[in-house]
Amino acid sequence: DAGVTQSPTHLIKTRGQQVTLRCSPISGHKSVSWYQQVLGQGPQFIFQYYEKEERGRGNFPDRFSARQFPNYSSELNVNALLLGDSALYLCASSLEGSGGFGNIQYFGAGTRLSVL
Amino acid sequence: AQSVTQPDIHITVSEGASLELRCNYSYGATPYLFWYVQSPGQGLQLLLKYFSGDTLVQGIKGFEAEFKRSQSSFNLRKPSVHWSDAAEYYCAVGGGQNFVFGPGTRLSVLP
Repeated sequence: DAGVTQSPTHLIKTRGQQVTLRCSPISGHKSVSWYQQVLGQGPQFIFQYYEKEERGRGNFPDRFSARQFPNYSSELNVNALLLGDSALYLCASSLEGSGGFGNIQYFGAGTRLSVL
Repeated sequence: AQSVTQPDIHITVSEGASLELRCNYSYGATPYLFWYVQSPGQGLQLLLKYFSGDTLVQGIKGFEAEFKRSQSSFNLRKPSVHWSDAAEYYCAVGGGQNFVFGPGTRLSVLP
């Protein structure tokens, strides 16, 4: 069975541009979460979506947005990119999301975003 | 709000030696606790989790962790480390609408 897949693997953008990252969850999983991992730090929670609704949001500016589609895949959008947005962006899926984070999350390999 | 501390930034052990990685958390209710491992260039792999019940939990690759409510700790242990265990280890706490990772502990293994 396929795990969590993310695309693209690597991405280079310049300051001020916009970027869209994509995530396909494990088949049957209805919840997707996004994390930002800056080099040398632990991942930081950005969003959780369950059944196409936002169920949780971390401490990130409004430049960050996401959505979940009927097939449970998800996109993360970041507008007006800053140098500090350079990071590994991780997507995780879980079976459920209605109970908050009491479910096991399975992580993809991530998208490495470099902002120049 | 939840928070997680991992006091040790970097630990070096010899292959075959025992290992303990420390984790302390802050959360108002009963937490969901996790340990993840990340190898270079890889995503995060779940080692074990604690939701409720027995406070000593067994995970994959011979790891175990003990939940101690009185100390707000969830330390990870392994009796005999293998060279392939060298990686970054993250403790995490989930609850409500947030999921918080600690800063990580880098494990190096000497031959």
